[in-house]
Amino acid sequence: GAVVSQHPSRVICKSGTSVKIECRSLDFQATTMFWYRQFPKKSLMLMATSNEGSKATYEQGVEKDKFLINHASLTLSTLTVTSAHPEDSSFYICSASVHEQFFGPGTRLTVL
Amino acid sequence: GDSVTQMEGPVTLSEEAFLTINCTYTATGYPSLFWYVQYPGEGLQLLLKATKADDKGSNKGFEATYRKETTSFHLEKGSVQVSDSAVYFCALSNAGNMLTFGGGTRLMVKP
Repeated sequence: GAVVSQHPSRVICKSGTSVKIECRSLDFQATTMFWYRQFPKKSLMLMATSNEGSKATYEQGVEKDKFLINHASLTLSTLTVTSAHPEDSSFYICSASVHEQFFGPGTRLTVL
Repeated sequence: GDSVTQMEGPVTLSEEAFLTINCTYTATGYPSLFWYVQYPGEGLQLLLKATKADDKGSNKGFEATYRKETTSFHLEKGSVQVSDSAVYFCALSNAGNMLTFGGGTRLMVKP
């Protein structure tokens, strides 16, 4: 149990385009989902916390208009990177939480 | 605020060697403590956890004991394998399931 999926696992896009990443809890309902960003050989940086049906809470320094988060249901949250630039290239990891966080496998975004 | 400090890597060991990865924390109250493992190109997997002082978490031969007096949660394994090569993250959770991560320690095990 407690499986979290992310789609896509890897995406390459052109600069200026938008990319949507989905995070799903497959066998449980998550009250809260978290989005992290991980730079190469670095730790995870929390970007935002989202609760179903309400606006996401963004960490300091994270642009909410650039990283749009939608938490449409108790099993789905999406992160949209708008007008992507090469510096947005990173590994994005989501987690879904009930009593503890369960992590997705991550999405590798490369912006050319 | 809460913080987690773990030893910088990489840690390079030969197969069957003893492993220790140090982790210390600063937190108010009584946090839960975790070790996560990240294999190349993958997300994080929970390795073990402890929720109160003197608890020992264990899994797949790894162990860590919640030491409140030294605010530590060191990860140990008696005999590492090549397949243990990964990045290990120490983390704490204090409220609302929010996790605070250490910087990660890369372990490389050579045959």
